[in-house]
Amino acid sequence: EDQVTQSPEALRLQEGESSSLNCSYTVSGLRGLFWYRQDPGKGPEFLFTLYSAGEEKEKERLKATLTKKESFLHITAPKPEDSATYLCAVQGGSEKLVFGKGMKLTVNP
Amino acid sequence: NAGVTQTPKFQVLKTGQSMTLQCAQDMNHNSMYWYRQDPGMGLRLIYYSASEGTTDKGEVPNGYNVSRLNKREFSLRLESAAPSQTSVYFCASREQGGADTQYFGPGTRLTVL
Repeated sequence: EDQVTQSPEALRLQEGESSSLNCSYTVSGLRGLFWYRQDPGKGPEFLFTLYSAGEEKEKERLKATLTKKESFLHITAPKPEDSATYLCAVQGGSEKLVFGKGMKLTVNP
Repeated sequence: NAGVTQTPKFQVLKTGQSMTLQCAQDMNHNSMYWYRQDPGMGLRLIYYSASEGTTDKGEVPNGYNVSRLNKREFSLRLESAAPSQTSVYFCASREQGGADTQYFGPGTRLTVL
């Protein structure tokens, strides 16, 4: 059974304080690992797709990396507007995505 | 492009009432999905439709039915609502097979009293 575990569940940072979010996964035949951002009262917003170990993708202050067991979302010099819940999901051999429970990030000014 | 749209945004039902949540996408995607999101549980798949004319159960299908009306529209029906179905419901769509990205709608917040 495919599984995704995100840690920590919540993280509070000061503006400018870089950190990383972890997504551990087990999946039969990884077809893709996805990162989403979700703001309160909104639907998940797509950030990145990673397909194979060693792959990295960047967008503004965010950088996602992938190994055979984990993905990290690195946040460099975060700003208050980066505050959101970050979701990780994997797709294995089926049509379905399996999501982690999410990680709530708060960035204080 | 509006992307994925959902109606209504909010709904309050009494136990035993029925309702249909509507979802439409204008991206010409083949696959569509219904999820529910509950505190501490993450997103859980209710039903999905890999293509027009097909539907399959996800992780938590009990108490729900779906209809893939055409390529654009995928509805979720609660025949007899229960308080356990209080949740936020999201619809998503995806282009085709493989690991293409799912794009989500804004959600419907449903309360069952």
